[in-house]
Amino acid sequence: DTGVSQDPRHKITKRGQNVTFRCDPISEHNRLYWYRQTLGQGPEFLTYFQNEAQLEKSRLLSDRFSAERPKGSFSTLEIQRTEQGDSAMYLCASSLAPGVRDTYEQYFGPGTRLTVT
Amino acid sequence: AQRVTQPEKLLSVFKGAPVELKCNYSYSGSPELFWYVQYSRQRLQLLLRHISRESIKGFTADLNKGETSFHLKKPFAQEEDSAMYYCALSGGSQGNLIFGKGTKLSVKP
Repeated sequence: DTGVSQDPRHKITKRGQNVTFRCDPISEHNRLYWYRQTLGQGPEFLTYFQNEAQLEKSRLLSDRFSAERPKGSFSTLEIQRTEQGDSAMYLCASSLAPGVRDTYEQYFGPGTRLTVT
Repeated sequence: AQRVTQPEKLLSVFKGAPVELKCNYSYSGSPELFWYVQYSRQRLQLLLRHISRESIKGFTADLNKGETSFHLKKPFAQEEDSAMYYCALSGGSQGNLIFGKGTKLSVKP
């Protein structure tokens, strides 16, 4: 296991199109997080899963965004009807759940850079 | 409100000089504080966390609850320290991180 992976690494789409990103976490990690990072900003939390359950969603996650983690392993983040303001780096991170060693250490993927034209 | 403030967007020092990257936080409970680093063309990675109290690559950070600060320090900067540094906090059982905007450290030869 070489760490968290994300696919694709880059995505260019036209406004109004739907896009889907995939994240594969470290295999033994049961928590999976999605963040968004825009230019000049730090990553901002979007949502997280513990196993297959989506436990929290940020107010940043509009109803055009949906995330799934169907079998508690990989996760997908879909953006419907993309807008230019969605252009950002989308980061995925994984960790063990609380109560286990390295409780809050999150391991990040390389990110998917989305450009909406 | 939960917030992390990194007042410097860019910090430029010469090799061998001391460096201090500032981080202040706002959180009502007892947060866990972290420093993450992103080298050029690499992913975000954990540098250190306050509860482990260890020194990584010569960097240390002390949590000062009175001043709500978690400044990152290194006595002698190296060129390979040039990177983007993010301070982050985690509070509550959900564990999501709240990041500052980051400070770009440039170490000149």
